[in-house]
Amino acid sequence: AQSVAQPEDQVNVAEGNPLTVKCTYSVSGNPYLFWYVQYPNRGLQFLLKYITGDNLVKGSYGFEAEFNKSQTSFHLKKPSALVSDSALYFCAVEEGSQGNLIFGKGTKLSVKP
Amino acid sequence: EAGVVQSPRYKIIEKKQPVAFWCNPISGHNTLYWYLQNLGQGPELLIRYENEEAVDDSQLPKDRFSAERLKGVDSTLKIQPAELGDSAVYLCASSTGTSVSGELFFGEGSRLTVL
Repeated sequence: AQSVAQPEDQVNVAEGNPLTVKCTYSVSGNPYLFWYVQYPNRGLQFLLKYITGDNLVKGSYGFEAEFNKSQTSFHLKKPSALVSDSALYFCAVEEGSQGNLIFGKGTKLSVKP
Repeated sequence: EAGVVQSPRYKIIEKKQPVAFWCNPISGHNTLYWYLQNLGQGPELLIRYENEEAVDDSQLPKDRFSAERLKGVDSTLKIQPAELGDSAVYLCASSTGTSVSGELFFGEGSRLTVL
């Protein structure tokens, strides 16, 4: 069965510093991977996806993610964090060709001024 | 363009009472999803519709949960009777195609509290 793991419940970063939110996956076959962000009392918003091609994927709000097949990871990164980036971040994998997303438990990102 | 609209945003009921949630997807989106999000967890799929057909309801607890999307547009998720463990956020999402290798658009969710 497909799954994703987010090993950190919370990541704390100072504003202006680089940030990384970790995600590892377990799939049979080629993975379709996603990152979503959830601000307080809001729905999830799509950030970026990896389907195929370049291992470095660029997304919304200056975020990017690096697909690493040998390490089965898809870490979310940003070169310079903003206080407004503080939110809950979810990694997800598409379940086969079923069109369903399987989400990780989420990582709370806290960016302090 | 309007996003995915859900109502009510908040609902408090006593156990054994029924409750219903409504979702209007983005216009033109044929695929509609209902997800359950427990506190501190990621969303879990309850049911997925392609137009009016429920193509995946394997995770829907059918003894108490039901859903419909009669005209292939808006959808209703019902719980009857509600149990304490049903307290959660119910998220609706929509997308354009049958494969989710695109983007899901989520509503703001309906937060249910069962007392």
